[in-house]
Amino acid sequence: QVTLTESGPALMNPTQTLTLTCSFSGFSLSTRGMCVSWIRQSPGKALEWLALIDWDDDKFYSPSLKTRLTISKDTSRNEVVLRMTNMGPGDTATYFCARNQQICANNACYRLFDHWGQGTPITVSA
Amino acid sequence: EIVLTQSPGTLSLSPGERATLSCRASQTVSSDYFAWYQQKPGQAPRVLIYGASHRATGVPDRFSGSGSGTDFTLTITRLEPEDFAVYYCHQHGLSFTFGPGTRLDIK
Repeated sequence: QVTLTESGPALMNPTQTLTLTCSFSGFSLSTRGMCVSWIRQSPGKALEWLALIDWDDDKFYSPSLKTRLTISKDTSRNEVVLRMTNMGPGDTATYFCARNQQICANNACYRLFDHWGQGTPITVSA
Repeated sequence: EIVLTQSPGTLSLSPGERATLSCRASQTVSSDYFAWYQQKPGQAPRVLIYGASHRATGVPDRFSGSGSGTDFTLTITRLEPEDFAVYYCHQHGLSFTFGPGTRLDIK
């Protein structure tokens, strides 16, 4: 059974650095094709993809947030960590981690976010 | 960055009716890299369709996806009460982006 669980500080002050941890089970991030992403959702708003790390430790970031984000993994602990610097009120959101898996069938391969955590709400306020 | 635009923003229908949701991309997206997600209040999103037309595991066959290039469609035949939710289109051909969502409300 695949599970992902996000953890973070809930409330933080502007300019601080956010550290989020995604703890997962039921799969290994060292398996070829496996990835984990962070995605956020501001209150009442749409989903915004933030970052992805793959089995080979390659990292990809949202172009608009790239300078503020760092994603890393600890395969032995089954954890993925996201750091976001210089947090502001506009970063108030629920932050989700999600498994991104490759499925191949009929000579084609596809990617999908097939398992998600429940999300952790982060509020940035002075 | 590929921008996804969804229409309508809100769709009000009754159970048993047919729903047609549209998503338009600002540039061509390979069908292999296009998906639809459903989100209910207080829950994480759930993948419905990947590769533009492939139903994910456990998704009822009243959900279907179609389209190519810049125009994609999610169709739900015979709406069930549990289908009223927000639906997001998604592409990962060039980075990852989601559309703004279509809210499907009970009429």
